[in-house]
Amino acid sequence: AQSVTQLDSHVSVSEGTPVLLRCNYSSSYSPSLFWYVQHPNKGLQLLLKYTSAATLVKGINGFEAEFKKSETSFHLTKPSAHMSDAAEYFCVVSPGYSTLTFGKGTMLLVSP
Amino acid sequence: GAGVSQSPSNKVTEKGKDVELRCDPISGHTALYWYRQSLGQGLEFLIYFQGNSAPDKSGLPSDRFSAERTGGSVSTLTIQRTQQEDSAVYLCASSSTGLAGEGETQYFGPGTRLLVL
Repeated sequence: AQSVTQLDSHVSVSEGTPVLLRCNYSSSYSPSLFWYVQHPNKGLQLLLKYTSAATLVKGINGFEAEFKKSETSFHLTKPSAHMSDAAEYFCVVSPGYSTLTFGKGTMLLVSP
Repeated sequence: GAGVSQSPSNKVTEKGKDVELRCDPISGHTALYWYRQSLGQGLEFLIYFQGNSAPDKSGLPSDRFSAERTGGSVSTLTIQRTQQEDSAVYLCASSSTGLAGEGETQYFGPGTRLLVL
């Protein structure tokens, strides 16, 4: 079965510093991986996705993620955090044909 | 264009009552999904509809939960004899063809927040 593990439940950064949200996956074959973001009282929004093309994936709002098969990781990064980045982030894998399996989420806190 | 819409946005009910939650997918999307987001369990898949095919009900937690999709568009999730543990945010998503395994994006609605007293 495919699954994802988000290694941190909370990450705190200062505005202007780099962001790193960690995700490891488990899969018996090359998976499709996604990062979604959920702002308070808002719906889930796709940040980026990996689909076995380029291993470095660029998403919206300056976020990117790198698929590393040897480490079974798909960490999300951003060079410089903005206050508006404060939200909950979900690493997601598609375990089968159509459905999604979500990680537990990482809450990103950004301080001035 | 319009995104996925859900109604009601909030629902408070008493234990033992039935509730119906509605989802309007993006026009033209053949795949529709229901997920549940709760504090203890995170985000869980409930049920998936693809066109006129029989739905994938593998995520439904009990036989009190059911869903239908009429005319390949609007979907209703019904919870019978609600329990306090059913309190959660119920999210609906749709996608163009249902190929999440090949990286197709699912578009999520804002959710229905259900509170069972």
